Amino acid sequence: EVQLLESGGGLVQPGGSLRLSCAASGFTFSSYAMSWVRQAPGKGLEWVSGISGSGGSTNYADSVKGRFTFSRDNSKNTLFLQMNSLRAEDTAVYYCAKGTKNLGTYYFDYWGQGTLVTVSS
Amino acid sequence: DIQMTQSPSTLSASVGDRVTITCRASQSISSWLAWYQQKPGKAPKLLIYKASSLESGIPSRFSGSGSGTEFTLTISSLQPDDLATYYCQQYNSFPRTFGQGTKVEIK
Repeated sequence: EVQLLESGGGLVQPGGSLRLSCAASGFTFSSYAMSWVRQAPGKGLEWVSGISGSGGSTNYADSVKGRFTFSRDNSKNTLFLQMNSLRAEDTAVYYCAKGTKNLGTYYFDYWGQGTLVTVSS
Repeated sequence: DIQMTQSPSTLSASVGDRVTITCRASQSISSWLAWYQQKPGKAPKLLIYKASSLESGIPSRFSGSGSGTEFTLTISSLQPDDLATYYCQQYNSFPRTFGQGTKVEIK
């Protein structure tokens, strides 16, 4: 059974940093691309970042480029999202999502339950 | 970036009704489109991929169609369990983009 468990969310002040993790199980982790998708309170879904199975290729939304870094540790089946220079508009539930293949045209077949990040003073 | 536009934003229908949601892409995405269902307080769930392929375990009352820039999600006979918000998403290119969502209410 595929499981994705996010952690690391919480309250942080504007300008601060936070590191999210996503622990994966139930599939061959290194064979699949992964993504982070966020949802601001009462709003729709926004793709944040994607990473290839090897970790060698990453993509970012313009809204987070230069501030967020997506990485993975395939030996520990874990994803990381390092979030720096946080802004109020980064407040959201952050979901990790499993891609359907390693690269290219993949969609998301499994999602975690999400972790809430609140940026406020 | 490819913009995805859904309509309507909200719809209210009765149990047993046929419901159709439209999703338009700002440029051609071939058939690289997925539909997700999100119930209140829950993570999104995959319904349809490659515009018209039904994900395993999803009831057959859900169907998708379209290609290029115009797509539809149809629920053939609305059930109480279908109360949710539905999102389309293109995976033709980065950044991946979602429609703004369609909230389905039961009359």
